[in-house]
This record gives sequence, C-alpha cells and structure tokens, in this order.
Amino acid sequence: DTAVSQTPKYLVTQMGNDKSIKCEQNLGHDTMYWYKQDSKKFLKIMFSYNNKELIINETVPNRFSPKSPDKAHLNLHINSLELGDSAVYFCASTRGRDTEAFFGQGTRLTVV
Amino acid sequence: GENVEQHPSTLSVQEGDSAVIKCTYSDSASNYFPWYKQELGKGPQLIIDIRSNVGEKKDQRIAVTLNKTAKHFSLHITETQPEDSAVYFCAASGAGSYQLTFGKGTKLSVIP
Repeated sequence: DTAVSQTPKYLVTQMGNDKSIKCEQNLGHDTMYWYKQDSKKFLKIMFSYNNKELIINETVPNRFSPKSPDKAHLNLHINSLELGDSAVYFCASTRGRDTEAFFGQGTRLTVV
Repeated sequence: GENVEQHPSTLSVQEGDSAVIKCTYSDSASNYFPWYKQELGKGPQLIIDIRSNVGEKKDQRIAVTLNKTAKHFSLHITETQPEDSAVYFCAASGAGSYQLTFGKGTKLSVIP
C-alpha cells in the first residue's frame, strides 16, 4: 500500500499548456509539501500545507498554484508551462515538524 | 534563511571501504538534521536523523555525527556495498520550522 502516491509519474506537454499533478498520502499526516528537483538533483521546497493551510510559499512563479482539498491531498496546478519548468516534482508528507518526510515517487515533467 | 553546504558532490569507494559525507549549516537555531538516500527513479528516503541534543547516532553500518559548535554534521557508511550506490542528501530544519533545507547531494558509487 503506497504511503505517498503521485499521479502521473510522467508528463510530457507542450509549452503554454496547463497541467496538474496530484498527490495523496494515506499515513494520516497533517503536513504536505511540493519539492522541485532540477537536472542537477537539487531539491528545493516550493509549497507546504498544514491542515489545509498554506504555511510555506517559496518564491516561485505565480503560474504555480497548490491546492489542498483535505489533509490527505495536495495538488499542484501549473499554468502556461515553460521549458524551464521541466523537472521532477516530488510530493512529501510529515506528521508535524522536524520529523521524517515521506516522499512520493516523483512526477517527471517534460515541457517541449 | 538556512543554507546547507554538502561535500563532496561525487564519491567513489571500493566495496568494503568506508564513505564519509560532510555538511555544514548556517542557522545556529537549526535542531533537526536528517539524511536521505535517493535511488535512481525514486523519491528520497530517510536513512538516519539526529537532533541537536545528541552528538552521535548509529544504526548498523550507518552513523551520523553532529558538531553544534562548528555547525557541521557528517554521515559515515562503513563496509560499503554496491546497493549503497545512490545520491545522498543532508538537510537541516530550524526549531519549530516545517521547512527542511537540503544540501545539493552526493552521488556515491560503490565499486564491486
């Protein structure tokens, strides 16, 4: 039973399109995150929600919009996709602060 | 904000030898220091963590040391095996913070 699951695993799309990535966790955690991993493997936090409230909102283009319908789900919508958005996006969850983060398997986004 | 430096970026060792990865952090208020292992095509997975009230922690072949005064922490892997080959990330989190700042990763290759 997958703890943190993301869909889709691969996403290839054209510049200018709008796409969404979905994430679900079945661990009962109260905090969820989106990270971006670039081609050099650098992991950078983008957003975090705690109990459906946005608590981390890093400097990312406002074309990126997270949405948390409930504690178990965190989605990422991206408008007007650009070539530079190509990366692997990871969803993660934790129970509170300073605890183990469980990561999904990642979504490899390729913008052509 | 927190800044985490990680060295080396790549590390090759012979099977059976030890591997050491070092990280420094900038925020003296940071108190949680996890290490993650990322295998190809997968999300990062926690392998060991340490909190600021502890100087050293060991789990079988893996150990982590923390020097709060110098603001650095290290991962030690003994008796390396080919399955230890992966990218390893250190991270740091400030007191009461949900934000985990990652180092840039170390690609470890264990040569049989």
